[in-house]
Amino acid sequence: AQSVTQLDSQVPVFEEAPVELRCNYSSSVSVYLFWYVQYPNQGLQLLLKYLSGSTLVKGINGFEAEFNKSQTSFHLRKPSVHISDTAEYFCAVSQEVDAFSGGYNKLIFGAGTRLAVHP
Amino acid sequence: DADVTQTPRNRITKTGKRIMLECSQTKGHDRMYWYRQDPGLGLRLIYYSFDVKDINKGEISDGYSVSRQAQAKFSLSLESAIPNQTALYFCATSRSSGGMTDTQYFGPGTRLTVL
Repeated sequence: AQSVTQLDSQVPVFEEAPVELRCNYSSSVSVYLFWYVQYPNQGLQLLLKYLSGSTLVKGINGFEAEFNKSQTSFHLRKPSVHISDTAEYFCAVSQEVDAFSGGYNKLIFGAGTRLAVHP
Repeated sequence: DADVTQTPRNRITKTGKRIMLECSQTKGHDRMYWYRQDPGLGLRLIYYSFDVKDINKGEISDGYSVSRQAQAKFSLSLESAIPNQTALYFCATSRSSGGMTDTQYFGPGTRLTVL
């Protein structure tokens, strides 16, 4: 079974500084990776996803992530954060539950990383 | 208007009470999901439904039941609530054609406290 490890539970950073949120996944033949963001008192929304092709994926709000197959990592980065980026970030991997189900998209989530941006 | 709505947004109940959380979506998606979120554990899948007649257990279904009343509605019930069911509950939807690569769209969540 797939698993996802987010190496940092909390990441404090000053405004306009760069940030990297780390994510490692267990290896699989085919892997589809996602980063979701949860702003305070809101549901999760997709930041970006890696399906295939270029290993550098660009998402919304200036975030990007790099898929590294050899290191089984999918770290999220932003060169300059804003106060409004304060949120919890979840890395997730898509796992096929049933080969006969049309590729049901079961998401396995990491525990989350709380990003706190300080002025 | 939000595409995925959940009611109530907050609920406090007592041990042993039956409670229902409701989810509605206007995205026209066939697939719907219920997750619970606990601090330090991320989101865990409770139940999922491919369509009105297809409901499946997730990894933590014990103590929960669901009902898919229509394509747009998916309810989660706690038949006899217990304190360790205190959590944040999310409903999500996705297209059936997207398979493993499709995005899931989440509701705003219901914060449930069981005393």
